[in-house]
This record gives sequence, C-alpha cells and structure tokens, in this order.
Amino acid sequence: NAGVMQNPRHLVRRRGQEARLRCSPVKGHSHVYWYRQLPEEGLKFMVYLQKENIIDESGMPKERFSAEFPKEGPSILRIQQVVRGDSAAYFCASSYTQGDTQYFGPGTRLTVL
Amino acid sequence: GNSVTQMEGPVTLSEEAFLTINCTYTATGYPSLFWYVQYPGEGLQLLLKATKADDKGSNKGFEATYRKETTSFHLEKGSVQVSDSAVYFCALSDTGFQKLVFGTGTRLLVSP
Repeated sequence: NAGVMQNPRHLVRRRGQEARLRCSPVKGHSHVYWYRQLPEEGLKFMVYLQKENIIDESGMPKERFSAEFPKEGPSILRIQQVVRGDSAAYFCASSYTQGDTQYFGPGTRLTVL
Repeated sequence: GNSVTQMEGPVTLSEEAFLTINCTYTATGYPSLFWYVQYPGEGLQLLLKATKADDKGSNKGFEATYRKETTSFHLEKGSVQVSDSAVYFCALSDTGFQKLVFGTGTRLLVSP
C-alpha cells in the first residue's frame, strides 16, 4: 500500500521565485492537510482540503500562499515570491474521513536562498 | 485556544532505561490525543493514540494513558533501544477533528 507521497523531497528557490509542492494522498483518502515545520519547532497547521474544496485555511498566511486539491491529481501548495522565512519542511497528511487518523508524507524541505 | 506542552529535550538515556516524556494539553471539548515519532530526515509516523478519557494507547512497547483529570498524555516505555532515538511529538485533534495541534517535540537520544 502506497502511503502519502510528496514531491519534491528537497526544493531550493531564490527569493522572489515560486515554489510548488505536491502531495498525493493515500489511495482512497479524500481529505488532505498541510502543515509547516520551522527549524527546531513543532508542526503548525496550514490548511485542510477535501476534493475541490478548501475547508479550513485558518493557518495559511493571507498573502503569497495558496492550496488546491483538484478532482484529479495531487494536492498542490503554492508559495509565490518566496522569502527566506518560508524555508521550512512542509508536510502533507491525508485521512479517509473527517475525524479519522491522519497519515503523513515524508515532507518537502524548502530552502530559500 | 487549544495547545500542547511537552517537556524540553533532549532526553538522553542509556539503552534499556525507562522512558517518560511528559505531555499536557489545554483544550475545549473532548479531543483525541496522539503521539507521533519523527526519525531523522523522515516524516511523522503515528505511534499511538487515545480517543477518550482513561483510554490507553500502546504500540511497539510505548504506551500513554489519556488522563482528563490532569489533562495529560505522558509517553512511557519500559526499556528503550538505540533505534528509539528520534523526535517525539504529542498532538491533539481539535473539535471537529479537522486539524492537529502539536507540541514542540522532544528529542530522545539513546546510547548503547
């Protein structure tokens, strides 16, 4: 059974570029969550999506960040005009239903130069 | 709002020692509680969970009991191994089970 897949595993961007992070949930899971882990800190919730819908984006910065989970294909977390403070590990998790256990991917480590 | 507090690390132990990592929480309603483990360079793996008061979660020799009266969910293991070296995160799910709230993590280092 394939778990949550994330790519790329490592991403390097220069300030001002765009970063696109992809997440393929566990097969059959339709709920996706994105979390950010800053160095030496715990994970912080960013956004919760179901297929084609954003359910809760209370943890997402208001500017430059967006997320989608289309009917077909992976969930995408997009960061426009990256800044050094965006350097972090971004984890995606998925669950079968709301309230079910969340299973995490290996993360994408974003470095902004 | 909801929050999780974990003991600061690193926790350094010798192999076969007893492990306790403290975790307390603040929450409205009746959250579910979790321990996740993160090995170096990897994502988080669910270690154990408990969904209601007095439940005990257990896995791979680790266990934790949901104590509502003390709002705690301490992680314990009777005899740690070098392979248990990792960062351990305590977390709760908020009302509606939509997002996890994590503690800052506790690094465990086990030496032979």
